[in-house]
Amino acid sequence: QLVLTQSPSASASLGASVKLTCTLSSGHSSYAIAWHQQQPEKGPRYLMKLNSDDSHSKGDGIPDRFSGSSSGAERYLTISSLQSEDEADYYCQTWGTGILVFGGGTKVTVL
Amino acid sequence: EVQLLESGGGLVQPGGSLRLSCAASGFTFSSYAMSWVRQAPGKGLEWVSAISYSGGSTYYADSVKGRFTISRDNSKNTLFVQMNSLRAEDTAVYYCAKVISDSSGYYPMNVDYWGQGTLVTVSS
Repeated sequence: QLVLTQSPSASASLGASVKLTCTLSSGHSSYAIAWHQQQPEKGPRYLMKLNSDDSHSKGDGIPDRFSGSSSGAERYLTISSLQSEDEADYYCQTWGTGILVFGGGTKVTVL
Repeated sequence: EVQLLESGGGLVQPGGSLRLSCAASGFTFSSYAMSWVRQAPGKGLEWVSAISYSGGSTYYADSVKGRFTISRDNSKNTLFVQMNSLRAEDTAVYYCAKVISDSSGYYPMNVDYWGQGTLVTVSS
């Protein structure tokens, strides 16, 4: 079964960096994913598509502070130079044949 | 600029029906798969349904299969979902999403644009 696992929360100080992890279920380590951001009381926003080889393509207007990387079954989203507006929920998303799957989301708090 | 504007949400009794619409603009609607994703109050995102660019292929989450029907009108750049036999657990904000498909054009992959959502409340 295709499942994405995310830690419920993460925090870092203003101006620092935070690295979020999304783990693919067993047997799906080669899958690409997408990262989405949801600021409080807003609809989600697409950040990037991340492949297993570390290559990624960002959405329109996504700052360079957002980057992605991969290692085995893990997909990462790193946010550098944290700003107050980065306080949000972050969801990873993948896909199988005719299905889309979302992780449970990680709430990022900027201290 | 891609815009997705949902409408049709509201309060409905358990067992009732509702039809949501999503008006799309800023891209060639007929060339892209589309999807509905929902978010229950205080919860995460849950995929509901997707449809290929032509409408010829449709896909559903097990939680809505047999109750929801996704469709599209490419002449009007509009996506729909007909929701029947609604339950309390269907209460959520429903988001319309533009989706990138695989090379065959039939299977949805990642969402790349989102609407702002419309709230559906199922309650007596």
